[in-house]
Amino acid sequence: EIVLTQSPGTLSLSPGERATLSCRASQSVSSSYLAWYQQKPGQAPRLLIYGASSRATGIPDRFSGSGSGTDFTLTISRLEPEDFAVYYCQQYGSSTFTFGPGTKVDIK
Amino acid sequence: QVQLQESGPGLVKPSQTLSLTCTVSGGSISSGSYYWSWIRQPAGKGLEWIGRIYTSGSTNYNPSLKSRVTISVDTSKNQFSLKLSSVTAADTAVYYCARYDVGATDAFDIWGQGTMVTVSS
Repeated sequence: EIVLTQSPGTLSLSPGERATLSCRASQSVSSSYLAWYQQKPGQAPRLLIYGASSRATGIPDRFSGSGSGTDFTLTISRLEPEDFAVYYCQQYGSSTFTFGPGTKVDIK
Repeated sequence: QVQLQESGPGLVKPSQTLSLTCTVSGGSISSGSYYWSWIRQPAGKGLEWIGRIYTSGSTNYNPSLKSRVTISVDTSKNQFSLKLSSVTAADTAVYYCARYDVGATDAFDIWGQGTMVTVSS
């Protein structure tokens, strides 16, 4: 099973700042099968990025994804108040899915 | 637009079987190429994939839960279901159903709102 590790666990930033979130896999992941989700309290996760770098429908262009192999990054170029949430990476491989433990982006 | 809605008992006794249903509206569960999945989240914790059923009816489960999980589909009702046997307090969580779009996004693009299940006597 591929294990995903996310860092940092918590990121404290101010609105307008840039957020850089890391997702590292225990073995190589196909970029086609790496996604990022945003979750706010009391809500279901929402797909942000698929295929490591493609934005899902309706996602603002301040969100971007990059990476390959075992290292992937989600970048939020300028934090808006509604972006403070928990972010999860997720991969699909060998007929199973795994999620990272999440990075919480909170207001500094 | 496709929407998912979970339903089922909010309280299950230890050792019993947890049963949930996900109703798909706005589209046919049989059309397209999708993995219909169950994912859970204990309070304050991360997401855990439980298993999925493909449009064809084939299934795959999380190896850590495989011995206790069954996912099935009822195309006549446009629903898919989860059964988790021999539950313990560790199975207390919010349970989500979700659609994984195979070949397009290859991601969980649609989620239900989630339903809280508590395992307690």
